[in-house]
Amino acid sequence: QSVLTQPPSVSGAPGQRVTISCTGSSSNIGAGYDVYWYQQLPGTAPKLLIYGNNNRPSGVPDRFSGSKSGTSASLAITGLQAEDDADYYCQSYDSSLSAPYVFGAGTKVTVL
Amino acid sequence: VQLQESGPGLVKTSQTLSLTCAVSGTSISTGSYYWNWIRQPAGKGLEWIGRIYTGGSTTYNPSLKSRVIISRDTSNNEISLKLSSVTAADTAVYYCASSYCSGDCPFDPWGQGAQVTVSS
Repeated sequence: QSVLTQPPSVSGAPGQRVTISCTGSSSNIGAGYDVYWYQQLPGTAPKLLIYGNNNRPSGVPDRFSGSKSGTSASLAITGLQAEDDADYYCQSYDSSLSAPYVFGAGTKVTVL
Repeated sequence: VQLQESGPGLVKTSQTLSLTCAVSGTSISTGSYYWNWIRQPAGKGLEWIGRIYTGGSTTYNPSLKSRVIISRDTSNNEISLKLSSVTAADTAVYYCASSYCSGDCPFDPWGQGAQVTVSS
């Protein structure tokens, strides 16, 4: 069972906006640690999509955006495109006695 | 920086899983980097296994600590993972990934991953 909670799936038509939530606790997101988002295309390794809650690495389209509030974070994809069909994972640092790095179970985005 | 995992794709139950991560584009023994191992069972989420610092110190996931050893070969610029007493639950794709700090920072880049199946 993952420490961070994500919905298993979201879907949308091309051009639409979808959001993915990531809920943590007072030992990770709620403690002020940053949230990171990764995109995993089928059969490939995860790729950093968002860092520091709302920053995009070079080369990531600006239709991807992140936000954070309290013990939760969200990833939004606006103007959904076919190539966005992938799994998305959130990650944060955790100060409890568990592993220092925690992930969500992942959300499958399906472009209809 | 590029990372490439390699190792046996099939390991027998109760034996030791051994993987190597070849690093190119930087030296694993200079700078301030952390070299991590992360795994992903089929259809499931990601689990952080542990890491080794450029200085050689290691940190492990408490849930795996008794079975994991992460080491480095500076002459070949490689990071290694050994996981002992494996069971079917250890079947997963194993990734190596780098990070630039010991705390609140992301994993980037990642290797392409190595599939390991544990079977009797």
